[in-house]
Amino acid sequence: EVQLVESGGGLVKPGGSLRLSCAASGFTFSNAWMTWVRQAPGKGLEWVGRIKSKIDGGTTDYAAPVKGRFAIARDDSRSTLYLQMISLKIEDTAMYYCVTYDKNRYYFDYWGQGTLVTVSS
Amino acid sequence: SYELTQPPSVSVSPGQTASITCSGDKLGDKYASWYQQKPGQSPVLVIYQDNQRPSGIPERFSGSNSGNTATLTISGTQAMDEADYYCQAWDSSTGVFGTGTKVTVL
Repeated sequence: EVQLVESGGGLVKPGGSLRLSCAASGFTFSNAWMTWVRQAPGKGLEWVGRIKSKIDGGTTDYAAPVKGRFAIARDDSRSTLYLQMISLKIEDTAMYYCVTYDKNRYYFDYWGQGTLVTVSS
Repeated sequence: SYELTQPPSVSVSPGQTASITCSGDKLGDKYASWYQQKPGQSPVLVIYQDNQRPSGIPERFSGSNSGNTATLTISGTQAMDEADYYCQAWDSSTGVFGTGTKVTVL
């Protein structure tokens, strides 16, 4: 059974930093393309970014609102995905979901339950 | 930046057909997928590659994509289909979600 368990969310002040983790199990993590998707309270889904598998280059792509402030990394030895966030803004307040991506069929298949990040003074 | 626009809400009577549109520039040249999200839950894939249903998704869910519009159709809508629905596509290497549609089964 595929499991994605996010952690690391919490309350942080504007300008602060936070690192989210996503522990994966039930599939071969090293082969997976992984993404982060967020959802502000009462709002829609927003793609944050993705990281390809190392065999596919391990490169990252980001949405414009977070580019230069967020960084996605992976530790295949620990089957863990990370989202390092710096210079946080109030508008970054959201539930952050860790999601697997099927690169052959172009869809997001497995979603975690999310971790809530609140940016407030 | 690329945008996908959906109607904010769609209302449907039980047993009737609900159609949800997703509009974007030359969307028909891209693959569209659709996600269902119920309150307090993570999204679930209901359609991928325009018109493919994942295993476990009822046949009443279908999709199409042509020109600038992708459409999710729910035939014989049931009360359990009441949820938010989001389309999704890729603009080069950037993922884009639609604005979302709340489906209410009256």
